[in-house]
Amino acid sequence: QKEVEQNSGPLSVPEGAIASLNCTYSDRGSQSFFWYRQYSGKSPELIMSIYSNGDKEDGRFTAQLNKASQYVSLLIRDSQPSDSATYLCAVPLRPGGSYIPTFGRGTSLIVHP
Amino acid sequence: DAGVTQSPTHLIKTRGQQVTLRCSPKSGHDTVSWYQQALGQGPQFIFQYYEEEERQRGNFPDRFSGHQFPNYSSELNVNALLLGDSALYLCASSLEFVQGPWNGYTFGSGTRLTVV
Repeated sequence: QKEVEQNSGPLSVPEGAIASLNCTYSDRGSQSFFWYRQYSGKSPELIMSIYSNGDKEDGRFTAQLNKASQYVSLLIRDSQPSDSATYLCAVPLRPGGSYIPTFGRGTSLIVHP
Repeated sequence: DAGVTQSPTHLIKTRGQQVTLRCSPKSGHDTVSWYQQALGQGPQFIFQYYEEEERQRGNFPDRFSGHQFPNYSSELNVNALLLGDSALYLCASSLEFVQGPWNGYTFGSGTRLTVV
């Protein structure tokens, strides 16, 4: 079965620490990978995309991709209380012949002062 | 603002009723996908519309139907509402990607549907 899996958490980190969020996916053919942030009661907003193996950095965020292991992660450096949210991993999977963007259940991150 | 707009923001319906949700995609986008997000869960794919046709469908019953108009806007209709249909319904706007790479969605603010 085609899936995107995330630990639901909550992941609790102190302010200023590095938060590490992980995601695994089941379709070896997937070519694009996305991280969305969702505040409680709000809609998801795109924070990072990655297409190639390795690391991609954008400000305090770093996405890491390992296609051989079917694993994508998001690192948040210098975590702030405003980073407290649910982080959704999104990967296009092919349950049939066409890609369907599929979301994990999300990891809840709590950054405490 | 050229972002994704959804209406209404909140809706309360009674079991058995029908509901219509609306979405206008981001300027320049031609594809609208609809997702259902239950509390504590990730968004679940309902269906996708491109060129006024349903291109793909997730594991949702026929009570869920939709439409896309020539201006790319879209409607989601749910008939015979059940308590379990209570959720946040998200409209996701993008360029067409069925046979090509998906470059991410822009989401609307969502419609919170409560069925009582």
